[in-house]
Amino acid sequence: GAVVSQHPSWVICKSGTSVKIECRSLDFQATTMFWYRQFPKQSLMLMATSNEGSKATYEQGVEKDKFLINHASLTLSTLTVTSAHPEDSSFYICSARDSVNYNEQFFGPGTRLTVL
Amino acid sequence: AQTVTQSQPEMSVQEAETVTLSCTYDTSENNYYLFWYKQPPSRQMILVIRQEAYKQQNATENRFSVNFQKAAKSFSLKISDSQLGDTAMYFCAFMRMNTGTASKLTFGTGTRLQVTL
Repeated sequence: GAVVSQHPSWVICKSGTSVKIECRSLDFQATTMFWYRQFPKQSLMLMATSNEGSKATYEQGVEKDKFLINHASLTLSTLTVTSAHPEDSSFYICSARDSVNYNEQFFGPGTRLTVL
Repeated sequence: AQTVTQSQPEMSVQEAETVTLSCTYDTSENNYYLFWYKQPPSRQMILVIRQEAYKQQNATENRFSVNFQKAAKSFSLKISDSQLGDTAMYFCAFMRMNTGTASKLTFGTGTRLQVTL
């Protein structure tokens, strides 16, 4: 089956620093990737839709300047949490949509971010 | 806008027994997909089963089956012969059927299933 990787799997950073999370589709091309945030014991909340070669589409209430998304190739999207604060601590999950089979999304294993 | 409701925050079932997880949704769309995802303690999201709204036949994947009632906007998941490895968070999700643009998943709040000996 299709595989999506995320790197790093976990990261701890100091308040005020920026953190980049990578999402890669390993064996398929993904024109669209999605970024989710998940708090403990809660559901996945869609943050933004990342489209290859164009600007990301952010959900209402998500700060564009805070969560920078870049989708520079058909296999890689990155999420940068800028000037991170403790309230940004969360589990971040990406998914990638197959360019051929639009109705399949494959999820990465997630990245746990802890901001001290 | 679509909404997905899972009214059972937690459920428990004994090994080898059958359990049904409930899901209802609200939409004005006629063509869409419904999904059940499993999130075990590893937190990796795993697709359990998918149903196309235009199909009347309920989807089945081994021990997992759904009861899809389109008119009632209900989409329950039945797990037969429950196994310890089924212990996980289960999310019901909705997606519009759209071939041209990105189709977003809308998730329910989840049901935590515990399988016991």
